[in-house]
Amino acid sequence: DAGVTQSPTHLIKTRGQQVTLRCSPISGHKSVSWYQQVLGQGPQFIFQYYEKEERGRGNFPDRFSARQFPNYSSELNVNALLLGDSALYLCASSFRGGAGETQYFGPGTRLLVL
Amino acid sequence: AQSVTQLDSHVSVSEGTPVLLRCNYSSSYSPSLFWYVQHPNKGLQLLLKYTSAATLVKGINGFEAEFKKSETSFHLTKPSAHMSDAAEYFCVVTSGSGGSNYKLTFGKGTLLTVNP
Repeated sequence: DAGVTQSPTHLIKTRGQQVTLRCSPISGHKSVSWYQQVLGQGPQFIFQYYEKEERGRGNFPDRFSARQFPNYSSELNVNALLLGDSALYLCASSFRGGAGETQYFGPGTRLLVL
Repeated sequence: AQSVTQLDSHVSVSEGTPVLLRCNYSSSYSPSLFWYVQHPNKGLQLLLKYTSAATLVKGINGFEAEFKKSETSFHLTKPSAHMSDAAEYFCVVTSGSGGSNYKLTFGKGTLLTVNP
């Protein structure tokens, strides 16, 4: 079975631009979560979606938004990019997104903002 | 509030010696606790998890962790380190009972170096 897939793998943008990252969960998983991992640090939780509804949100500004589609895939949008948004963006899926469920991570999208 | 503290940013051991990676947590709710491993240029992989069942949890590759509520700790151990264990390890706490109160927090990570 295919794991969590993310696209693109790498992306270069300039300050002020907007970016959209995509994630496809493992087949049968209905929950998707997004994380930001800055170099040398642990991932930080951005959003969790389940059945197209936002279930949790981390401490990120409103420039960050996401949505989940009927096929359970998800997009993360970041507006007005800042240099500090440069990071590895990870997507993870789980069956229902419960607190005790294992998250299965994708390989990530590496974003560089110049 | 919820937080995770990994007490060591870097641990160095010799091959064949025990491994101890320390994690303390705080949570206002009954937490679930996880250890994930991240090898260079590879994705995060689950090692083990605690979800209010047995307090001693066994994971993959010979790792285990013990949940100690009184000490708010969830330390990761392995009796004998292998070269392939060299990686970054993350302690994670989650909480929430459904609805919109899901929270997840990663620790800052512990880099494990295994010397021959």
